[in-house]
Amino acid sequence: EAGVTQFPSHSVIEKGQTVTLRCDPISGHDNLYWYRRVMGKEIKFLLHFVKESKQDESGMPNNRFLAERTGGTYSTLKVQPAELEDSGVYFCASSDAWEGDTQYFGPGTRLTVL
Amino acid sequence: EDKVVQSPLSLVVHEGDTVTLNCSYEVTNFRSLLWYKQEKKAPTFLFMLTSSGIEKKSGRLSSILDKKELFSILNITATQTGDSAVYLCAEPVYNQGGKLIFGQGTELSVKP
Repeated sequence: EAGVTQFPSHSVIEKGQTVTLRCDPISGHDNLYWYRRVMGKEIKFLLHFVKESKQDESGMPNNRFLAERTGGTYSTLKVQPAELEDSGVYFCASSDAWEGDTQYFGPGTRLTVL
Repeated sequence: EDKVVQSPLSLVVHEGDTVTLNCSYEVTNFRSLLWYKQEKKAPTFLFMLTSSGIEKKSGRLSSILDKKELFSILNITATQTGDSAVYLCAEPVYNQGGKLIFGQGTELSVKP
């Protein structure tokens, strides 16, 4: 069974540009989460989808971040316009409602904003 | 506010040593505690603990939870260089969709 995949693995952009990150969860997982790790800090929650609906977006830093999960399968996270402080590693995780709290993580996208 | 604190933040040992990593938590309505291992890429799931005093074991790794004192430990015996990684402890937040609160992680380096 394929795990959680993310694309791209690394993105380098200039301040003011737009970047879109993609996450493909494990097939059949209704729950999809986005997290971010900024250098030197712990991994922090951004938002949670249940199927195509946003369940909790309390961790989204500001309105420059837009997440979607059309059709309840893959998800995208767009940052527009990117700022220097958006640099970090963006992780996606998915979980099955039947497995309790265990979330399975993707390899992350390392975003560098210059 | 829910919080997870790990110690030490980094640790260097030699192959064959035994290590103990600590995780303390302050959460309302405890549900479970999760341990992950992160090498270069994705954090990989190790254990989920829900009950006090019951050890979870997988090969040389084991973990136990103390709900009274609000902490968990992760033990690795006979360490190998392949155990070098960041070990993460996390709590799902009750009634908030299970989003995880992470500790800072413990960076373990095992020298030959």
